[in-house]
Amino acid sequence: KQEVTQIPAALSVPEGENLVLNCSFTDSAIYNLQWFRQDPGKGLTSLLLIQSSQREQTSGRLNASLDKSSGRSTLYIAASQPGDSATYLCAVRLGRDDKIIFGKGTRLHILP
Amino acid sequence: DGGITQSPKYLFRKEGQNVTLSCEQNLNHDAMYWYRQDPGQGLRLIYYSQIVNDFQKGDIAEGYSVSREKKESFPLTVTSAQKNPTAFYLCASTLGYSSTDTQYFGPGTRLTVL
Repeated sequence: KQEVTQIPAALSVPEGENLVLNCSFTDSAIYNLQWFRQDPGKGLTSLLLIQSSQREQTSGRLNASLDKSSGRSTLYIAASQPGDSATYLCAVRLGRDDKIIFGKGTRLHILP
Repeated sequence: DGGITQSPKYLFRKEGQNVTLSCEQNLNHDAMYWYRQDPGQGLRLIYYSQIVNDFQKGDIAEGYSVSREKKESFPLTVTSAQKNPTAFYLCASTLGYSSTDTQYFGPGTRLTVL
């Protein structure tokens, strides 16, 4: 059974620092992996999607990497800002017609 | 603007009542999903639908029911059989089944049982 784990559950860093959020999954046979952002009481917003054949994707200050063989993905945030404070979730899709499994998220707090 | 709408934003239910949560999308997406989010639990899949008039149970379907009579609509009914329905409910959709298809989410409905 596919399990998705995100450690740590919470993280506080000073503004301006670069940081890395981690996501691990137990079964390397994934279709794709997505990183989402969730603000309190809101829905999820997709940040980056990495196909199983890709190694990384970039959008602005965000870079997501994927290493299927080790079952790991990282989300790198450069030059963090207070507006980056949110919960970040990763999710793996198991197959073309299959469901999506979510991690429990990392709650990020950027200190001004 | 294209997107997913959920209504109501807040919903209160008395024990023993059925309630229906609305989810509508104008993205012309084929697949739609319902998730439940509890504090510290992450998102858990309730039901999903890949096409009109077809849907599959997710991991926690007991006490819930859905319908997919129209492509743009995927309502969720929380029945009295659901023993602990207080949670944040999220509806989502994807265009189809390509590995590049991003999942889009609605703003959520917070259900509270009184």
